[in-house]
Amino acid sequence: DGGITQSPKYLFRKEGQNVTLSCEQNLNHDAMYWYRQDPGQGLRLIYYSQIVNDFQKGDIAEGYSVSREKKESFPLTVTSAQKNPTAFYLCASSPSTQEEETQYFGPGTRLLVL
Amino acid sequence: EDQVTQSPEALRLQEGESSSLNCSYTVSGLRGLFWYRQDPGKGPEFLFTLYSAGEEKEKERLKATLTKKESFLHITAPKPEDSATYLCAVQALNSGGYQKVTFGTGTKLQVIP
Repeated sequence: DGGITQSPKYLFRKEGQNVTLSCEQNLNHDAMYWYRQDPGQGLRLIYYSQIVNDFQKGDIAEGYSVSREKKESFPLTVTSAQKNPTAFYLCASSPSTQEEETQYFGPGTRLLVL
Repeated sequence: EDQVTQSPEALRLQEGESSSLNCSYTVSGLRGLFWYRQDPGKGPEFLFTLYSAGEEKEKERLKATLTKKESFLHITAPKPEDSATYLCAVQALNSGGYQKVTFGTGTKLQVIP
């Protein structure tokens, strides 16, 4: 089955620690995205990538980093510089950002701070 | 700045009681409007994409419509399994050539047996 997988489902971060959230898709989509979801707020874009080895900052990129070395994978690192990391993180993909393409979402990773 | 406002924030219906959810938007150059369903602790599930005013799409008990300023998600004779948060999002072309998507905060629907 084609789809988007995210792991782990839950992740705990200690003070000063960097953690990496995994996102893999087998939909052959060019574009991938990371969003953050907080209670009472709409999804906010952290980073997006239109093609391998290229990515752009979204609205709330500070304290986060990404890489796009393979078409299928778009991992997100939450660094120690992100002071309020507790949230639900969603990865999405779409065929392209240049057309009117629907974004499809993974199951999410909930990040909690110890 | 693109804005999406969903109302009501929460809606409680009796099973079989039809109603509508509203999504009003302010965007320059709408490229598409999306509806998603999100269950607690899960990622949003795609429902519909609407591209132009007057367009309608249906899926089971759900029907989405679009005007130049808002979209409605009509739920006919809902069942308890329709309970979820429904998200609306708009896609517009920004100055950098990227098709930015802006999400609303959602309507939390509860259908009581």
